[in-house]
Amino acid sequence: NAGVTQTPKFRILKIGQSMTLQCAQDMNHNYMYWYRQDPGMGLKLIYYSVGAGITDKGEVPNGYNVSRSTTEDFPLRLELAAPSQTSVYFCASSYRSSGGVGEKLFFGSGTQLSVL
Amino acid sequence: AQSVTQPDIHITVSEGASLELRCNYSYGATPYLFWYVQSPGQGLQLLLKYFSGDTLVQGIKGFEAEFKRSQSSFNLRKPSVHWSDAAEYFCAVGGDTGRRALTFGSGTRLQVQP
Repeated sequence: NAGVTQTPKFRILKIGQSMTLQCAQDMNHNYMYWYRQDPGMGLKLIYYSVGAGITDKGEVPNGYNVSRSTTEDFPLRLELAAPSQTSVYFCASSYRSSGGVGEKLFFGSGTQLSVL
Repeated sequence: AQSVTQPDIHITVSEGASLELRCNYSYGATPYLFWYVQSPGQGLQLLLKYFSGDTLVQGIKGFEAEFKRSQSSFNLRKPSVHWSDAAEYFCAVGGDTGRRALTFGSGTRLQVQP
């Protein structure tokens, strides 16, 4: 029962570098999400996907890109990293829409990213 | 637009004492309401949810929450806190079929004193 797996757990980037945060789920969920968590700010939605080949922006998409080539994987790409992207990133999945029908979200354990 | 407010950033209680974490929401229709818990170094886990019906809902780990429409609140309670309950708690709202994802509050960090 792997659930939602995120890699890496920690990463330090220099300003201007790029990287990809990996996310995989083995529950055959249609919906996948990327959130960032900043202290005192709760979780903000970056991007989400409703199925393979379909992605859409959330509240804070600037500076990020995503793709969904398979049901299982939903990588998040940071281009030209900036200090403002220092955060904890969570990937989550659900079988149906969490916002529309209240489906339970399953979260990965997070990636702590520092941009210096 | 839907939104969630958790007025308490940080709460400290003694082990064995009762707990109430506050959550207020803004939503036009009947909301779907959730409480998630984040233990240190972990992702979020669902504690309980309210969709309709009985306004007092029971969750895992002995938690319960009460939906009060008149107060736009969904407060989380536990009669006797255990040291293992130390974590960050997030309230979330959904129910708008036009939105794909939940809206989360800013969280309340719970510290438990021995």
